[in-house]
Amino acid sequence: QQQVKQSPQSLIVQKGGISIINCAYENTAFDYFPWYQQFPGKGPALLIAIRPDVSEKKEGRFTISFNKSAKQFSLHIMDSQPGDSATYFCAADSSASKIIFGSGTRLSIRP
Amino acid sequence: NAGVTQTPKFQVLKTGQSMTLQCAQDMNHEYMSWYRQDPGMGLRLIHYSVGAGITDQGEVPNGYNVSRSTTEDFPLRLLSAAPSQTSVYFCASSYGLDYGYTFGSGTRLTVV
Repeated sequence: QQQVKQSPQSLIVQKGGISIINCAYENTAFDYFPWYQQFPGKGPALLIAIRPDVSEKKEGRFTISFNKSAKQFSLHIMDSQPGDSATYFCAADSSASKIIFGSGTRLSIRP
Repeated sequence: NAGVTQTPKFQVLKTGQSMTLQCAQDMNHEYMSWYRQDPGMGLRLIHYSVGAGITDQGEVPNGYNVSRSTTEDFPLRLLSAAPSQTSVYFCASSYGLDYGYTFGSGTRLTVV
């Protein structure tokens, strides 16, 4: 049973374009939705996170859009750069003790 | 600060052997977790702890044991290694909700 579904599995975007990764969840008890970025050979690192009481959160070029009624959230990377090439994971948490991750999206930014 | 330290970085085991993956954090985090990462499967939670002396099972706990005798350390024990346990293992820790998790650099385990 996959509690957090992530798509697409892989994504290629031209430099300067917008990268969009989508996630959907099932458990309405989730109340914290982080995104993690992982470079090859490294552990994931927290990128940005949102609580369900807001519909959007922006930090620099990274924006989370959240739709509580549809139980969906997405990551938008504006002006995508080659340095953004990495694997991105969405996640959902209800207590900081049992965070559940999506299956990941491998993003490649073409120069 | 070292953050989350995992040892060893690489390990090859024979089927049936046992071993302990070490994890230590120096940030005084109460929450600690172990994940395994497999291609196309994302990160799957093995075991987690909300404080010293308290542990619980995650999504894929079979074949693994944990203990949390101190706030700093959270070792993961493989009881009898199987090829299906070939994976990259990550330990992570957190202050709590809204702070996210800090991950270690991982242990790449191969069971032959």
